[in-house]
Amino acid sequence: ETGVTQSPTHLIKTRGQQVTLRCSSQSGHNTVSWYQQALGQGPQFIFQYYREEENGRGNFPPRFSGLQFPNYSSELNVNALELDDSALYLCASSHPGTVGHGNTIYFGEGSWLTVV
Amino acid sequence: AQKITQTQPGMFVQEKEAVTLDCTYDTSDQSYGLFWYKQPSSGEMIFLIYQGSYDEQNATEGRYSLNFQKARKSANLVISASQLGDSAMYFCAMRGTGFQKLVFGTGTRLLVSP
Repeated sequence: ETGVTQSPTHLIKTRGQQVTLRCSSQSGHNTVSWYQQALGQGPQFIFQYYREEENGRGNFPPRFSGLQFPNYSSELNVNALELDDSALYLCASSHPGTVGHGNTIYFGEGSWLTVV
Repeated sequence: AQKITQTQPGMFVQEKEAVTLDCTYDTSDQSYGLFWYKQPSSGEMIFLIYQGSYDEQNATEGRYSLNFQKARKSANLVISASQLGDSAMYFCAMRGTGFQKLVFGTGTRLLVSP
């Protein structure tokens, strides 16, 4: 149990539609990151939120957007879905204030998105 | 830019044997962290072990240990006494300075046989 929960676990969308994925971070963690993992690949960083502000973004187009709420939970929104957006979307939470063993990054179980 | 390389697409090991999963990294940061995660077929990414770049001792967590060789830029995962439940994908990842972004390798699929 990582304390990071994601919803929904599986969903199917049609090309051109919009999707919202949700993540609740581990208690005390104020940083949430989102990753996209295509089949057979390692996760790719989409963006990160710290205290409700986006403070880092990977090589993803603007139709990938997000929010972080005061309780540090987060949403990932993807507009104008494309077939290549089919992937496992992982949310990770962390706290940047500590170093060493305490500075670990925990993932949720992911949301499997299929675009048809 | 940071890069993680995992050169073993798949590894096979018999139950109760030890196995080493290779990971090399490249970064210009002086301070960084190295992670190993296990990903079963269900998809969840399970944290296994962490090594900070300034840690002098190799990290250990139960049956997992990290063989950290800073000069060679390698951070190999050693699993002792493999169990059937260890069959999964294993990812090496790196975090750079001042930022919580992780860069992942392509992973190694480990299969443990009876």
